[in-house]
Amino acid sequence: DTGVSQDPRHKITKRGQNVTFRCDPISEHNRLYWYRQTLGQGPEFLTYFQNEAQLEKSRLLSDRFSAERPKGSFSTLEIQRTEQGDSAMYLCASSFGQGDNSPLHFGNGTRLTVT
Amino acid sequence: DQQVKQNSPSLSVQEGRISILNCDYTNSMFDYFLWYKKYPAEGPTFLISISSIKDKNEDGRFTVFLNKSAKHLSLHIVPSQPGDSAVYFCAANYGGYQKVTFGIGTKLQVIP
Repeated sequence: DTGVSQDPRHKITKRGQNVTFRCDPISEHNRLYWYRQTLGQGPEFLTYFQNEAQLEKSRLLSDRFSAERPKGSFSTLEIQRTEQGDSAMYLCASSFGQGDNSPLHFGNGTRLTVT
Repeated sequence: DQQVKQNSPSLSVQEGRISILNCDYTNSMFDYFLWYKKYPAEGPTFLISISSIKDKNEDGRFTVFLNKSAKHLSLHIVPSQPGDSAVYFCAANYGGYQKVTFGIGTKLQVIP
């Protein structure tokens, strides 16, 4: 169990640029989640995959955001035409289970700063 | 609309004493509650959970109490240790649904 890995740890970009983040979940975990955390707030749900299927997307996930999980392994989160309001910590989590309340295992996040 | 509320942004406790972190929720559909701990520059780490069919769950120094009628839960840490200093998030979900809702966190400082 090597834990959930996220890359990069930090990303600074200029407004209007596209960015992509990667998440490698714990290998046997079939569920993968993306959360976003801004200063002074708790993590907010963005989207959730079971295997390769994206089963839910939050209203927070605007058209500029897209997430994929090809082959049900790693996942990518892309933000197009970044805005300053996108600055946040993007957290990936994974879990294993079928319709139960398996706890989420979080990575250390990717901190995005949009200038 | 904060469905999970942590009204104390911070808490300071002396080493060896009890730490009590509180959480209130508004969504009656929540049936599973969790506490996560977060150190700086790290992601949240699962600590303890409780199902709505129980009113108490204990794991070592950590105990979570659930009062469904009051829509309130609390995390007790006894005895508190300096390594417990972190931000604690209360979280909830329902029906095995995978969207977990988090509170804004309480920063605990345990003073040696």
